[in-house]
Amino acid sequence: NAGVTQTPKFQVLKTGQSMTLQCAQDMNHEYMSWYRQDPGMGLRLIHYSVGAGITDQGEVPNGYNVSRSTTEDFPLRLLSAAPSQTSVYFCASSSSTRQLMFEQYFGPGTRLTVT
Amino acid sequence: AQSVTQPDIHITVSEGASLELRCNYSYGATPYLFWYVQSPGQGLQLLLKYFSGDTLVQGIKGFEAEFKRSQSSFNLRKPSVHWSDAAEYFCAVGALRGSTDSWGKLQFGAGTQVVVTP
Repeated sequence: NAGVTQTPKFQVLKTGQSMTLQCAQDMNHEYMSWYRQDPGMGLRLIHYSVGAGITDQGEVPNGYNVSRSTTEDFPLRLLSAAPSQTSVYFCASSSSTRQLMFEQYFGPGTRLTVT
Repeated sequence: AQSVTQPDIHITVSEGASLELRCNYSYGATPYLFWYVQSPGQGLQLLLKYFSGDTLVQGIKGFEAEFKRSQSSFNLRKPSVHWSDAAEYFCAVGALRGSTDSWGKLQFGAGTQVVVTP
């Protein structure tokens, strides 16, 4: 099993550009999440999904869109990049089983710089 | 409001010495508690977890943590650190509250950076 994979590993964007961060998991997990990590702030939840076709906002959703058309994939879209979105982005997945839904498996991250 | 606090931003410890990282939480429901470790440039790896039962839990890499309900704490310990333990450590909390909005969501502390000196 590859677990949770993310592409790209690194990305530099100019302000106003758009892009999609890819996330895929092969563990048949129903729950998937996107986090951003900024120094001194831990990980903050951007969006999450409890299954295909179901998404909801997390703590810091502004400027990001998600969709979940399959169980495996959960892409994160930046519609118009801003310097404030410079961060490291992590995708995570977990089972929907009680208790296990909180045991999240993380991808390796995407380091995004917006100039 | 729910919160997770890691009071120590940065800890320096000598190789072979003991390590304790603090985590305090404020949650309205019985929490599920986790410690994750992040090595430089890497993703997060689960060290250990507490759901219920024995309040002292063992994890990977020789780490253990103790849940103290009366103190709302879940401190991480290792008796003797190795140079490879240099990393950032995150405490995370989740809870099954009445609303399904909380299901599957983790709240993370700000992290503690551990530096190991020879």
